[in-house]
Amino acid sequence: GAGVSQSPRYKVAKRGQDVALRCDPISGHVSLFWYQQALGQGPEFLTYFQNEAQLDKSGLPSDRFFAERPEGSVSTLKIQRTQQEDSAVYLCASSLGTLPPRSYEQYFGPGTRLTVT
Amino acid sequence: SQQGEEDPQALSIQEGENATMNCSYKTSINNLQWYRQNSGRGLVHLILIRSNEREKHSGRLRVTLDTSKKSSSLLITASRAADTASYFCATDAGYSTLTFGKGTMLLVSP
Repeated sequence: GAGVSQSPRYKVAKRGQDVALRCDPISGHVSLFWYQQALGQGPEFLTYFQNEAQLDKSGLPSDRFFAERPEGSVSTLKIQRTQQEDSAVYLCASSLGTLPPRSYEQYFGPGTRLTVT
Repeated sequence: SQQGEEDPQALSIQEGENATMNCSYKTSINNLQWYRQNSGRGLVHLILIRSNEREKHSGRLRVTLDTSKKSSSLLITASRAADTASYFCATDAGYSTLTFGKGTMLLVSP
C-alpha cells in the first residue's frame, strides 16, 4: 500500500516568504508527527497530532510555525516569514495507534527539503 | 534538543564485516528504536527494543539495551554495500514522540 507522502519534495523560498508543506499519512493512521532535520543532524520533534487534535506543539521553534490536520488525515505545516535558519528537511511520520504496542513504530515520508535564500 | 549521542559518528568497513554502532541517552525511556536513513530519503524503522528487554534480533541485526548505563548498541552482521546509510537511535518516553540522536554514518565498501 501507499506509504507516507509529502509535497513538495523540494522548496526554495526567499527570506520573508510563507511556505506550506503537505503530508499525506498512511490511511487509517491516527497519529501524525512533524520533525525538522538540519543537515548532519538527527530529526527533531516539532508537533504531534492524534486525529485532528494537536496534542503537542512544544517543538515548534517560533510562532511563525503553524501546523494543522483539520480532518484527521492530511496535515499541513506552514512557516510564515521564512528565515535562513528554517532551511532544513521537514519530515512527516504517521503511526497506526496511540496505545502500545501499535503506537510506537512510525512510518516516515521522504521529507520536504526547504531552502531559504 | 537531541536525547542522545551515537558513536562513532562515521564508520567505514568492507563488505562481509560486522558493524557496531552505539547510542547513549539521558533520561528514562519506555522503548528504544533504531532507524536507517539512506541519502536524501526518509527514515525506515529497523527494530524496537523495550526497556525491560536486554537483547533483540531481527535478521542480520542485533540490538542490546543496558538501561543502567543508558546505552544501546546495534550490530549489523555480514554487512553489504546496501547497508550504507545513516543509522539513528530514537527513544520514546511513553508518549509516542521520538527523540533522536545525531546518527552514525556507515559506509560499506564492496
